[in-house]
Amino acid sequence: QVQLQESGPGLVNPSQTLSLACTVSGGSISSGAHYWSWIRQPPGKGLEWIGYIYYSGSTYYSPSLKSRVTLSVDTSKNQLSLKLSSVTAADTAVYYCAREGGITGTTYYFDYWGQGTLVTVSS
Amino acid sequence: SYVLTQPPSVSVAPGETARITCGGNNIGSKSVHWYQQKPGQAPVLVVYDDSDRPSGIPERFSGSNSGNTATLTISRVEAGDEADYYCQVWDSSSDHRVFGGGTKLTVL
Repeated sequence: QVQLQESGPGLVNPSQTLSLACTVSGGSISSGAHYWSWIRQPPGKGLEWIGYIYYSGSTYYSPSLKSRVTLSVDTSKNQLSLKLSSVTAADTAVYYCAREGGITGTTYYFDYWGQGTLVTVSS
Repeated sequence: SYVLTQPPSVSVAPGETARITCGGNNIGSKSVHWYQQKPGQAPVLVVYDDSDRPSGIPERFSGSNSGNTATLTISRVEAGDEADYYCQVWDSSSDHRVFGGGTKLTVL
């Protein structure tokens, strides 16, 4: 059973960089069988896709966050990372990492999710 | 960018059938996926590829997709089905993963 676990600071100062990690167990990122995504959810609001990364390091970011987000992968640790720069209160959200299922080039969905971690941007 | 539209809320009595819609331009040409999210929990995939169910999801959950509307149908609704439901597609033209705004299902 694949499990994902997010970790990182729960409080970040405005204008600073938000950094989160996602540790994957029960499956290997380096198998190359899946993309891995980050998704966020502001309190009381809907889901927003941030972007995905492949084991090779190739990435794709949502245009709304592209200028501020960096995704990376450490296959030796079976770990994903998210960095979001120049944060404001609008970046306060629960951040999820998720595995993408589906057939490459045909359909993508999120079949395994982490439990999420709340990050608050405030001084 | 591709937009998915869901009704903010749907209410249904226990034992009845709930239908949650997801509208999008020619959504019938895309594969639609549905997630259930209960308060304080991560979303759970309940239907993928329009109408397939992951292992462990009750048969009461089903999906359909045609034209400009996809529908998640929950039969014999139970109190435990009360949750937010989100539809999602992959927009092949942009490689974006797109979510609908979510629908709160209330069991009366």
